[in-house]
Amino acid sequence: KAGVTQTPRYLIKTRGQQVTLSCSPISGHRSVSWYQQTPGQGLQFLFEYFSETQRNKGNFPGRFSGRQFSNSRSEMNVSTLELGDSALYLCASSWGDRDNSPLHFGNGTRLTVT
Amino acid sequence: GDSVTQMEGPVTLSEEAFLTINCTYTATGYPSLFWYVQYPGEGLQLLLKATKADDKGSNKGFEATYRKETTSFHLEKGSVQVSDSAVYFCALRVEVWDKIIFGKGTRLHILP
Repeated sequence: KAGVTQTPRYLIKTRGQQVTLSCSPISGHRSVSWYQQTPGQGLQFLFEYFSETQRNKGNFPGRFSGRQFSNSRSEMNVSTLELGDSALYLCASSWGDRDNSPLHFGNGTRLTVT
Repeated sequence: GDSVTQMEGPVTLSEEAFLTINCTYTATGYPSLFWYVQYPGEGLQLLLKATKADDKGSNKGFEATYRKETTSFHLEKGSVQVSDSAVYFCALRVEVWDKIIFGKGTRLHILP
């Protein structure tokens, strides 16, 4: 069974640009969550999609957005990039509707903003 | 709000030493508790979980017991190996549809 796939693995962008990250969940999983990981803040929750609807949202500005498609694949978009957006962005999938279903993580997309 | 607090790292131990990484939580309701591990260059992997008070999760020689009275879920291993060097995250989720909340992580270094 294939794991969670995130693309691209690395990205370098300039301040003010926008970026789109992609996540393909484990087959059958309907929930996709996004996290931002930085050395200082640890893992910060961005949002979660379940069956194409945003179900949970973290405390990030509106520049951070996402969506989920009918095949459960998800994209995350960051507009007007700032230096502080440099981080590892992790996507995780789960069943989403079963008790104690853990998250399965991808290897992340490393975003560097210069 | 719900939160997880775990001990600051890095923790450095010699091979075959006993490991404890402390984790305490604050939550409304009765959360499920998790330990995840992150090896260099990879995403997080579930290490173990416990869903109710007094449950013990275990995997790969690691153990953690859900202690409701002390709101704790400390990770232990009797004899660590160099290959256990990684970052360990304690986490909780209150309801099936809730987000999972993570602690800040504890980096573990095992010396041969």
